[in-house]
Amino acid sequence: AQKVTQAQTEISVVEKEDVTLDCVYETRDTTYYLFWYKQPPSGELVFLIRRNSFDEQNEISGRYSWNFQKSTSSFNFTITASQVVDSAVYFCALSEASYSGGYQKVTFGTGTKLQVIP
Amino acid sequence: DAMVIQNPRYQVTQFGKPVTLSCSQTLNHNVMYWYQQKSSQAPKLLFHYYDKDFNNEADTPDNFQSRRPNTSFCFLDIRSPGLGDAAMYLCATSTYRASNQPQHFGDGTRLSIL
Repeated sequence: AQKVTQAQTEISVVEKEDVTLDCVYETRDTTYYLFWYKQPPSGELVFLIRRNSFDEQNEISGRYSWNFQKSTSSFNFTITASQVVDSAVYFCALSEASYSGGYQKVTFGTGTKLQVIP
Repeated sequence: DAMVIQNPRYQVTQFGKPVTLSCSQTLNHNVMYWYQQKSSQAPKLLFHYYDKDFNNEADTPDNFQSRRPNTSFCFLDIRSPGLGDAAMYLCATSTYRASNQPQHFGDGTRLSIL
């Protein structure tokens, strides 16, 4: 069975500090996909990034960067120079390639609540 | 812009009084999902539709039903809401057989039970 662990329940940082959100996953599949979603107080889950299991290249998008390490089953997310607008709950999610009938089986972590203090 | 729209944003109902939440999408996606999210928890999948094919999760209570009259709309019916059903309900969509694609979520409906 697949599992996603976000050990950090809540993190508080002062604006402009860098912050890393940890994500560790378990799966038996060799092909899978990892995602990060942001959930601001308004409630909508916003897609941030997807990573394929066969592509371990790290990625940077503006102030966001992601470090995917298959050897440690981790997919960590770093925000550089955090801003108040980054305050939200961040979910890491895992989707296995094995499916039936078009069903995309997704497992979410329990989320990390990030508070950026001005 | 193509999107997923949930109505209403906030719903208050009485204990035991049936309630319906709605979701519409302009993405023309084959699959629509309903999730329940309680405070400080991960979204929990209740069921999903692939076109008109309904798929219930094994642990979804019978109190929860769903309808999908066409590609664009999907409804969540709670027949007799209990206090434990107070939560955020999220609708999402995805394309068929696309486990590598992100799900597109609506803003959610926050349900309160009096």
